[in-house]
Amino acid sequence: DAGVIQSPRHEVTEMGQEVTLRCKPISGHNSLFWYRQTMMRGLELLIYFNNNVPIDDSGMPEDRFSAKMPNASFSTLKIQPSEPRDSAVYFCASSFRANVLTFGAGSRLTVL
Amino acid sequence: QQPVQSPQAVILREGEDAVINCSSSKALYSVHWYRQKHGEAPVFLMILLKGGEQKGHEKISASFNEKKQQSSLYLTASQLSYSGTYFCGTETAGNKLTFGGGTRVLVKP
Repeated sequence: DAGVIQSPRHEVTEMGQEVTLRCKPISGHNSLFWYRQTMMRGLELLIYFNNNVPIDDSGMPEDRFSAKMPNASFSTLKIQPSEPRDSAVYFCASSFRANVLTFGAGSRLTVL
Repeated sequence: QQPVQSPQAVILREGEDAVINCSSSKALYSVHWYRQKHGEAPVFLMILLKGGEQKGHEKISASFNEKKQQSSLYLTASQLSYSGTYFCGTETAGNKLTFGGGTRVLVKP
């Protein structure tokens, strides 16, 4: 198994631009999580899905952030418009029945 | 709410022991421990379920006191490969896994 696949690995963009991060979970996993990691705030849970349905999005910072999971093998996290304070590493993780998490390699976002 | 980890950082000599603590203000279903090397993703170490169990991974073990809503990770006879940041993740109602702020561990020769 290729593990959890995230793209892009690095993204540099300018303030105001739209950013889309993508995630392919491990086949057979039915839970998917989006985390954001910064030095100041550590690993923050943004949103998680069970069986493609968003269960808890209370960690999404504001309306500029949105996440979708149209099917069991794909999820996106979108930021529109992006701001410099959104700069962080964004991790996607998947699990079976919300148990042990397998993380992707992360997407490092820099907003100038 | 985020679980609280202590200490924030620890420096060890190879072969020394250390304890990392994790506490939560909420009732817990389980506690997870992950280790993250610099520039990499967090990697699962172990999960502890209700029942006060202990588990081990190499010479790393952990305990879970559900009444106190606390868990401790024990690094025994530390090796250079143990260096990294350790995160506890606490599972509350709804399968929500929330991570603590992390404990940076540096093992020196």
